[in-house]
Amino acid sequence: QKEVEQNSGPLSVPEGAIASLNCTYSDRGSQSFFWYRQYSGKSPELIMSIYSNGDKEDGRFTAQLNKASQYVSLLIRDSQPSDSATYLCAGSFSGTYKYIFGTGTRLKVLA
Amino acid sequence: EAGVTQSPTHLIKTRGQQATLRCSPISGHTSVYWYQQALGLGLQFLLWYDEGEERNRGNFPPRFSGRQFPNYSSELNVNALELEDSALYLCASSFLPSTSGLAKNIQYFGAGTRLSVL
Repeated sequence: QKEVEQNSGPLSVPEGAIASLNCTYSDRGSQSFFWYRQYSGKSPELIMSIYSNGDKEDGRFTAQLNKASQYVSLLIRDSQPSDSATYLCAGSFSGTYKYIFGTGTRLKVLA
Repeated sequence: EAGVTQSPTHLIKTRGQQATLRCSPISGHTSVYWYQQALGLGLQFLLWYDEGEERNRGNFPPRFSGRQFPNYSSELNVNALELEDSALYLCASSFLPSTSGLAKNIQYFGAGTRLSVL
C-alpha cells in the first residue's frame, strides 16, 4: 500500500517567519511530488512540483526532495496571514498516473 | 483559458437516491480524475478516465461509477446514496504526456461539487 503521510497540525508560525511543512512516503519507486494549498471550502491549487533530489525554489516557496530518506518538504519564507491554509502533499508513483494525497497540514500564520 | 469546471456546485439528495456530478476538463487535457474529500479527511482517489476509458479505480464500492465522453468531459454517478457519501467531490484534469514522462502529469482541480445526503 503506497502511502503519503503528513502531520495534521495545526502548525502555527508568526508572521514573517519560515514555515516548514513535511511529508514522508512509503514507496521508493515514487517519481514526482506536488504541493497543493487548499483554503477552507475551496479546491486545491498547485504551489510546487518537484521531481529530482534537491531543492526547487519559486518565489517565497522552496520544495525539497530527498528520495533516499523518502521525504518531501515545503518551506514558506516570510509567511503571511494569507498563507494560512491546509497544505497537501501528493505523490505520483511508478506505474500509475494517479496521485496519492497526504491528509494535509493545517498552517496558521499569526499576525 | 477556462479551468476545470464542475456542476452543480451543491447537490442535496436523500438516502437511496442517485447523484450525477459533471466535470469539464481544461481544453487539451484528455485525463479526468475524481476524488472524494469527506469533512476533515484527505483527498481519496475515486476514478481516473483517459481517452474515454476507465484507467484506474480507488477503493470504493461499485455504486460509484462514471464515464468519459468523446469531448473528454466526465460524469460521476453515485447510486444508492448513503449518509457517509456526503463530501466534497473534486475533479481534476491533466494531459497524459506520451513522451515527456510521468513527471509532467500535473493535475489541475475544479471548484468541486458539495454533495449532501440527508
